Amino acid sequence: EPEVTQTPSHQVTQMGQEVILRCVPISNHLYFYWYRQILGQKVEFLVSFYNNEISEKSEIFDDQFSVERPDGSNFTLKIRSTKLEDSAMYFCASRFPPLGEEESYEQYFGPGTRLTVT
Amino acid sequence: DAKTTQPNSMESNEEEPVHLPCNHSTISGTDYIHWYRQLPSQGPEYVIHGLTSNVNNRMASLAIAEDRKSSTLILHRATLRDAAVYYCTSGGSSNTGKLIFGQGTTLQVKP
Repeated sequence: EPEVTQTPSHQVTQMGQEVILRCVPISNHLYFYWYRQILGQKVEFLVSFYNNEISEKSEIFDDQFSVERPDGSNFTLKIRSTKLEDSAMYFCASRFPPLGEEESYEQYFGPGTRLTVT
Repeated sequence: DAKTTQPNSMESNEEEPVHLPCNHSTISGTDYIHWYRQLPSQGPEYVIHGLTSNVNNRMASLAIAEDRKSSTLILHRATLRDAAVYYCTSGGSSNTGKLIFGQGTTLQVKP
């Protein structure tokens, strides 16, 4: 069964450093997402991406964050200058567009990257 | 974005049915109700979704109140592998499809 993959599984970085989290969505999916989950808290939406551009972003997704789909298969989240509060689990998700009346909005999530900022 | 409210935790015995409630009184008329679950150390996993009518799939059933202000996820026979955090979410069917998660219900299944 196709699945979303994410690398690395765990990233440790120092405050102020740049990090790039990588995701490979399911190959025929067209919508891509990043979510984050701070330890013990709920899953929070960060950004959605469609047709090579951001379609929606949350208040969390400030100028320090950026996303890119550099080669048609990878989907990346970059944090330019990490802060302690960026420590969280970051999940990538993807979905196929709904098909007519048989709407399917199922998002497929990857296993996540645990980001630890020290 | 519609807010969802769920009990923090619930317990069930193995092989018994489980009814997980969710309130979503501010949901818009066109927003689908989605349920996801998160097993320990994993990403969220889709369970089921619906708009107005009750829905069944291989994992669960979804009962939606007539006024759409609440819904109930039904696991017909809980197994130990169903122990997870269950999220009732709004959104998912907008142009962007973003999901808005609440705090979720932690389901414990006792053998």
